[in-house]
Amino acid sequence: EVQLVQSGAEVKKPGESLKISCKGSGYRFSNYWIGWVRQMPGKGLEWMGIIYPGDSDTKYSPSFQGQVTISADKFNNIAYLQWSSLKASDSAMYYCARKNYYSSGWYFFDSWGQGTLVTVSS
Amino acid sequence: DIQMTQSPSSLSASVGDSVTITCRASQTISNYLNWYQQKPGNAPELLIYAASSLQSGVPSRFSGSGSGTDFTLTISSLQPEDFATYYCQQSLSAPRTFGQGTKVEIK
Repeated sequence: EVQLVQSGAEVKKPGESLKISCKGSGYRFSNYWIGWVRQMPGKGLEWMGIIYPGDSDTKYSPSFQGQVTISADKFNNIAYLQWSSLKASDSAMYYCARKNYYSSGWYFFDSWGQGTLVTVSS
Repeated sequence: DIQMTQSPSSLSASVGDSVTITCRASQTISNYLNWYQQKPGNAPELLIYAASSLQSGVPSRFSGSGSGTDFTLTISSLQPEDFATYYCQQSLSAPRTFGQGTKVEIK
């Protein structure tokens, strides 16, 4: 069974750094892209970026480029999302998700983590 | 970025009703369109990919159609467990943007 298990909720102060994680199991982690999706309180889903753990190839949404860093440890089957200096506006639920495909052209997120709630408040 | 616009933003319906949600892309995306369902407090789940292909395990009362810029998600006979928020997502090009969501509520 494919599973993505995310790290627990975080409460941070503005200016602090943070790294949250997403551990995959039940499939060959290195061979599937992992994406990160933000959901601000009461709002919709925002595609942040994606990483291929096999070679750490990473793509960011222009909205998040420079604001976060996505990385992966293929040996331990973990993907990460990190901030160097948090802002109150980073408060949100963050989901990781596995990107799968149909017939080598149609991509979708077929398995999702349970979400990590990040709260940034002074 | 490709913009995805859903309508309506919310709707009220009764168990047994048929409901249709529309998603429009800001440029043509062929059939590179996914639909997700999100229940309160849960992660989204994939319902449909490639505009009309049902993900394994998803009930057949869900169906998708469309191509180009206009797409629809139809739930043929609404069940209590279908009250949720639905999102479309274009999968043609990065960033693979989502619509703003349609909340289906109980009338």
